[in-house]
Amino acid sequence: GESVGLHLPTLSVQEGDNSIINCAYSNSASDYFIWYKQESGKGPQFIIDIRSNMDKRQGQRVTVLLNKTVKHLSLQIAATQPGDSAVYFCAEKINSGNTGKLIFGQGTTLQVKP
Amino acid sequence: GAGVSQTPSNKVTEKGKYVELRCDPISGHTALYWYRQSLGQGPEFLIYFQGTGAADDSGLPNDRFFAVRPEGSVSTLKIQRTERGDSAVYLCASSLTMDTANTGELFFGEGSRLTVL
Repeated sequence: GESVGLHLPTLSVQEGDNSIINCAYSNSASDYFIWYKQESGKGPQFIIDIRSNMDKRQGQRVTVLLNKTVKHLSLQIAATQPGDSAVYFCAEKINSGNTGKLIFGQGTTLQVKP
Repeated sequence: GAGVSQTPSNKVTEKGKYVELRCDPISGHTALYWYRQSLGQGPEFLIYFQGTGAADDSGLPNDRFFAVRPEGSVSTLKIQRTERGDSAVYLCASSLTMDTANTGELFFGEGSRLTVL
């Protein structure tokens, strides 16, 4: 069935190190993927997205990698900062068309140690 | 306003009662979404509006849940005969146009936390 999941519920990193958050998806029809950041008591905040015709996309301190062969998505955060501490969700859209329906994974909590 | 506004921020009700949750999207955003987030889980899609009409309501769990957006701006999520399992944070999001609706750039509110006793 459809599922978007994250490999680890919690990731703890040292400030200044790079972070890698992973996500697996099962629906090969998914053609659009997004990473969101959610801080405590707030709504999810868009970080970066990637379409299925791409393997990699870079933003400011963040990179998303997509491996369609193994249905795997990752978010890399460079020089992790305390402000990066949050829950990170991957989300997918199937055959992105005239719908805003996103399927979210369960989330990975990123803890940044000073 | 500057962002998506949701009221109330917290709602405690008794089993069997009726509740309404309000969402005020970013001005000019034509697309509006409702999601539900249980503790420790990712947001779960409920319904999506394009303008005044519900373009996709496939996520509404049953007929106790209903949402409206009569003037294409503010939306209200209505839950009848609430059950303890309805307890969750109800998130609203909006996006500018259909094009951005097809991307992930949804702007979320801070949610309405519903607790059903």
